[in-house]
Amino acid sequence: AQSVAQPEDQVNVAEGNPLTVKCTYSVSGNPYLFWYVQYPNRGLQFLLKYITGDNLVKGSYGFEAEFNKSQTSFHLKKPSALVSDSALYFCAVRDTPGANNLFFGTGTRLTVIP
Amino acid sequence: GAGVSQTPSNKVTEKGKYVELRCDPISGHTALYWYRQSLGQGPEFLIYFQGTGAADDSGLPNDRFFAVRPEGSVSTLKIQRTERGDSAVYLCASSPTGGYGYTFGSGTRLTVV
Repeated sequence: AQSVAQPEDQVNVAEGNPLTVKCTYSVSGNPYLFWYVQYPNRGLQFLLKYITGDNLVKGSYGFEAEFNKSQTSFHLKKPSALVSDSALYFCAVRDTPGANNLFFGTGTRLTVIP
Repeated sequence: GAGVSQTPSNKVTEKGKYVELRCDPISGHTALYWYRQSLGQGPEFLIYFQGTGAADDSGLPNDRFFAVRPEGSVSTLKIQRTERGDSAVYLCASSPTGGYGYTFGSGTRLTVV
């Protein structure tokens, strides 16, 4: 079965510093990987996805993620954190080959400290 | 509409009661998904519609849960004989053709007391 792990429940970073939110995955077949962000009282918002192509994927709000097949990782990164980036971040993987639904990780709460 | 609309935003019901949760997807989106998010967890897939039909209902936890989308737009998630363990945020999402860049609604927070 497909799965993703977000090893950190909480990440704190100072405003202006680079941020990384970690995600590792386990899949059969080619991985389809995603990042979503959830702000308080708002729906999940799509940030970026990796399906094929370049290992470095650029997404919304200046975020990017690097697909690393050998380490089975798909870490989310941003060069300079903003206070407004504080939110809950979810990594997700396509549930099974050919499926249309996603399997989500448990989430990482990012707090950017002014 | 501009986004995915879910109503009500909050629902408190007594154990054993029946509830309906509504999702109004983005106009023209053929794919619609229901997920459930329990406290401290990521969203869990419940059911996926392509048009009017349920293309995948493998995530529905038991036969107390049912969803419909009779005209291929609005969907209703129905829960019979609610239990306290059903308490969660129920999320709806839609996409144009079943691709992965879903647009999620803000969810319905269901509390069973």
